[in-house]
Amino acid sequence: GQNIDQPTEMTATEGAIVQINCTYQTSGFNGLFWYQQHAGEAPTFLSYNVLDGLEEKGRFSSFLSRSKGYSYLLLKELQMKDSASYLCAVSPPGGYQKVTFGIGTKLQVIP
Amino acid sequence: NAGVTQTPKFRVLKTGQSMTLLCAQDMNHEYMYWYRQDPGMGLRLIHYSVGEGTTAKGEVPDGYNVSRLKKQNFLLGLESAAPSQTSVYFCASSRGGNQPQHFGDGTRLSIL
Repeated sequence: GQNIDQPTEMTATEGAIVQINCTYQTSGFNGLFWYQQHAGEAPTFLSYNVLDGLEEKGRFSSFLSRSKGYSYLLLKELQMKDSASYLCAVSPPGGYQKVTFGIGTKLQVIP
Repeated sequence: NAGVTQTPKFRVLKTGQSMTLLCAQDMNHEYMYWYRQDPGMGLRLIHYSVGEGTTAKGEVPDGYNVSRLKKQNFLLGLESAAPSQTSVYFCASSRGGNQPQHFGDGTRLSIL
């Protein structure tokens, strides 16, 4: 089975940097997704990490350590529009992968 | 480019009524999914399909049925609605199992 842990809520200041952590315990692991979900809207894809290390996409970066069962999403130069929930999701290996989502971290960006 | 379209967007049902939620995607994706999202529970997979004519159970399939008669459509049925099925339902599609999922805007369903 899959067990995914994320903080429930976080608050950060506009212009700052915030790191959202995700830890997982799984019976098998292929990769880890990050999605963004604004209130009342659909989740949208941010990143997918398969290999260890940091991947950067503009203001957003995602890190994975397979040996530690740990990932984080790093948001730089925070903007008010970054206020949203951030969902961590794990995909297992082999055949069809049933992705398992964490409950999400609600980030509030304040002026 | 519509992506994933869900209908209806809102619906109120009485306990025991039945209904079908429709999902259509125009990206020629093989995989389609139905999730429900409840406060404090995250997204939970109800049923999924890996291709036309195939369906499989997810994490919380009880009380729901699905059909994938055409590649672009994935239908979710509630045969006898219960208050516990009050939720926001999301449909998603992807090219493959380890590919990003594209979500519809959701259906907000209330069962009284």
